Amino acid sequence: IAGITQAPTSQILAAGRRMTLRCTQDMRHNAMYWYRQDLGLGLRLIHYSNTAGTTGKGEVPDGYSVSRANTDDFPLTLASAVPSQTSVYFCASSDRDGTEAFFGQGTRLTVV
Amino acid sequence: GENVEQHPSTLSVQEGDSAVIKCTYSDSASNYFPWYKQELGKRPQLIIDIRSNVGEKKDQRIAVTLNKTAKHFSLHITETQPEDSAVYFCAAFSAGGTSYGKLTFGQGTILTVHP
Repeated sequence: IAGITQAPTSQILAAGRRMTLRCTQDMRHNAMYWYRQDLGLGLRLIHYSNTAGTTGKGEVPDGYSVSRANTDDFPLTLASAVPSQTSVYFCASSDRDGTEAFFGQGTRLTVV
Repeated sequence: GENVEQHPSTLSVQEGDSAVIKCTYSDSASNYFPWYKQELGKRPQLIIDIRSNVGEKKDQRIAVTLNKTAKHFSLHITETQPEDSAVYFCAAFSAGGTSYGKLTFGQGTILTVHP
């Protein structure tokens, strides 16, 4: 692994199903973020974590949950997917407060 | 929490012209303001950033200015080239209060540079 990796890269999901998007970084970054990107709405923060063991809610947290059991991993779970969660999801990480955030390659999720 | 507004949503310029994108933020505790460029189908990548103790920063054809009092910051691209065509995002990092640790993005600007 080099940098920050997301899995899967794309997924078609039936409404009502549970889904976990994976994010792993090997840069030992403290901060990690999940964003969703929708046309015309930019990158909206879903959840974030300043350090392992802590998480916080962003602008659009409803329907999503996260955990940060260790420094490297920050999975995003959709408990019961709905069509409005169709989006491109980006995970990002940064070394410490107020430094460059590096993005994963994104996950394109379609809920049908 | 932090709110970042970005304008314009689309910007079309001729090659060689300058382009300016403006952002405002609401959280006075924000202290770090990066700009990201996203090409079609790719991930956002940092192009320049500025901290709250600096008023202006330049990197070749790109510059960013920050007015803390007015809570706005701007991206300036001079001598634009077709390869500058992309979506540009501003962001603000909240360093205090209940929004501590949040990195909030603007809505994005689609920049098109015509040859």
